[in-house]
Amino acid sequence: DGGITQSPKYLFRKEGQNVTLSCEQNLNHDAMYWYRQDPGQGLRLIYYSQIVNDFQKGDIAEGYSVSREKKESFPLTVTSAQKNPTAFYLCASTKGQKNTEAFFGQGTRLTVV
Amino acid sequence: AQKITQTQPGMFVQEKEAVTLDCTYDTSDQSYGLFWYKQPSSGEMIFLIYQGSYDEQNATEGRYSLNFQKARKSANLVISASQLGDSAMYFCAMREGREYGNKLVFGAGTILRVKS
Repeated sequence: DGGITQSPKYLFRKEGQNVTLSCEQNLNHDAMYWYRQDPGQGLRLIYYSQIVNDFQKGDIAEGYSVSREKKESFPLTVTSAQKNPTAFYLCASTKGQKNTEAFFGQGTRLTVV
Repeated sequence: AQKITQTQPGMFVQEKEAVTLDCTYDTSDQSYGLFWYKQPSSGEMIFLIYQGSYDEQNATEGRYSLNFQKARKSANLVISASQLGDSAMYFCAMREGREYGNKLVFGAGTILRVKS
């Protein structure tokens, strides 16, 4: 079955450590996105990528980094520079056209301890 | 500036009644796409309905319909015959910009609670 997979589902990190969240899709989608969601809040765009080896900053990119070396994969690294990283992180993918909906992973809940 | 505005943080509706969730958007593009998603407490995101800026008819999908008023830049979601399972967070979203190379942005969401 085609879909988008995020791992792990829950992640705990000590302050000052970098951590990488995985996102893989087998839908052959061109575009991939990372969003952050705080409790009771909306989705804020961190980074997005339309093609391999290219990505753009979203609205809250500071303290995060990404790579897009393969079409299927778009990992997100939460660096120690991110002051308040505890949140729910959602990865999405879409075809390139504006009239196509996004497919989402199940999310990763990151907690800094 | 906010691209997507959802002014209702929370809504209550009686089971079997209809409810309208508001969404206004801001864009200078002529071509854009508008989407609604549902997020239950489990956290998954469920696509509900799509409206294109050039579509003349309002979109409908089962009990969901989109009241699209282009001049007002509003894209309200109407849920008919509400069910207890409709209780969730609802997000309005937009894709604008180039056909390829656009980005998907979301509103702050509306929490809907259906009462029995």
